[in-house]
Amino acid sequence: DAGVTQSPTHLIKTRGQQVTLRCSPKSGHDTVSWYQQALGQGPQFIFQYYEEEERQRGNFPDRFSGHQFPNYSSELNVNALLLGDSALYLCASSLEGGPYEQYFGPGTRLTVT
Amino acid sequence: AQSVTQLDSHVSVSEGTPVLLRCNYSSSYSPSLFWYVQHPNKGLQLLLKYTSAATLVKGINGFEAEFKKSETSFHLTKPSAHMSDAAEYFCVVRGLNQFYFGTGTSLTVIP
Repeated sequence: DAGVTQSPTHLIKTRGQQVTLRCSPKSGHDTVSWYQQALGQGPQFIFQYYEEEERQRGNFPDRFSGHQFPNYSSELNVNALLLGDSALYLCASSLEGGPYEQYFGPGTRLTVT
Repeated sequence: AQSVTQLDSHVSVSEGTPVLLRCNYSSSYSPSLFWYVQHPNKGLQLLLKYTSAATLVKGINGFEAEFKKSETSFHLTKPSAHMSDAAEYFCVVRGLNQFYFGTGTSLTVIP
């Protein structure tokens, strides 16, 4: 049973650039959530995708956008990167209708210089 | 609104002694609560969950947690710490279509 996978593992970008992170959910899951985890902090919710639509969004600017594909995989896009965007980006998948636990991928470590 | 407060940012125990990681929650309705563990440079692993069934919840690796509504608490315990338990632990409450994480408790196990 494949778990949640994310790519790439690490990424280094320059301020002002754009980045795309990718996530494949756990087999059988149809909902994908994205979180940002800054160093030494707990994960912060960015947004959730279900049925290819963003249905819940946390307190993140519009520079953060996403997409969900028909096979339930998802992308997180960040435009106009800032130094403060440096963090571990976590993807989590779950099944609409329950059980409600989320399964997390290993994350993508983004460094903005 | 939903939130969790982890009462200790760091906990240090000796190997073989009990572990107690404290978490208080706030929820406007009957909560779903979780504990996750994060080892260095790893993703988050689900330890256990409470979803309004039994108030004493058993998880993986010998961990358990007790839901106490009167105290709005969901503390994580383990009878005997192992070196491999050293990690960051997060208490989480489920909201509408999102999880709210605590700030984490770093567990150190002294040999």
